[in-house]
Amino acid sequence: ETGVTQSPTHLIKTRGQQVTLRCSSQSGHNTVSWYQQALGQGPQFIFQYYREEENGRGNFPPRFSGLQFPNYSSELNVNALELDDSALYLCASSSAGTGRNNEKLFFGSGTQLSVL
Amino acid sequence: GESVGLHLPTLSVQEGDNSIINCAYSNSASDYFIWYKQESGKGPQFIIDIRSNMDKRQGQRVTVLLNKTVKHLSLQIAATQPGDSAVYFCAERTGGFKTIFGAGTRLFVKA
Repeated sequence: ETGVTQSPTHLIKTRGQQVTLRCSSQSGHNTVSWYQQALGQGPQFIFQYYREEENGRGNFPPRFSGLQFPNYSSELNVNALELDDSALYLCASSSAGTGRNNEKLFFGSGTQLSVL
Repeated sequence: GESVGLHLPTLSVQEGDNSIINCAYSNSASDYFIWYKQESGKGPQFIIDIRSNMDKRQGQRVTVLLNKTVKHLSLQIAATQPGDSAVYFCAERTGGFKTIFGAGTRLFVKA
């Protein structure tokens, strides 16, 4: 059984640029969630994908978007990067699906994004 | 509003002692709670969970207590070891898809 993998591990961008982060879900998991974790804070929910569609979103602007592919892997895209976007971006997979509760999240090690 | 908070940002314990990490939640509709451990350079790792119809749940060296009356959650770690040093997050789900995390408590284990 393979765990959640994210790439790249570190990334440096400048303000205004666009970035794409990638995530491969754990074997057997069909749902992917993305979180933003600022230094010294808890992870903040960005959105969740199930069956290639976004089925929930946190308080993030539209310039944060995502995709999920048939193999359940996922991408997080951020346009028009701002300095405050600097954070650790975490991907988590689960077998929750739509509306199911009580499902554990399995996290990758994250992508550390620095916006200069 | 939705929030999950922690009483203490830092906790220091002696190796071998028991640790207790506390958490307050504000959403009375939350029905599932989880504790995660995050080590440096890694993503959060599931420790233990509890449903709202339970008061206590035990795992290996860990126990989670839930007091719905005062909306309080705690994680007890027995015989704390140096490998337990990490940041611990409580999190809640309210019947949907979003897991809300608190700010975290950093646990230091002194040898």
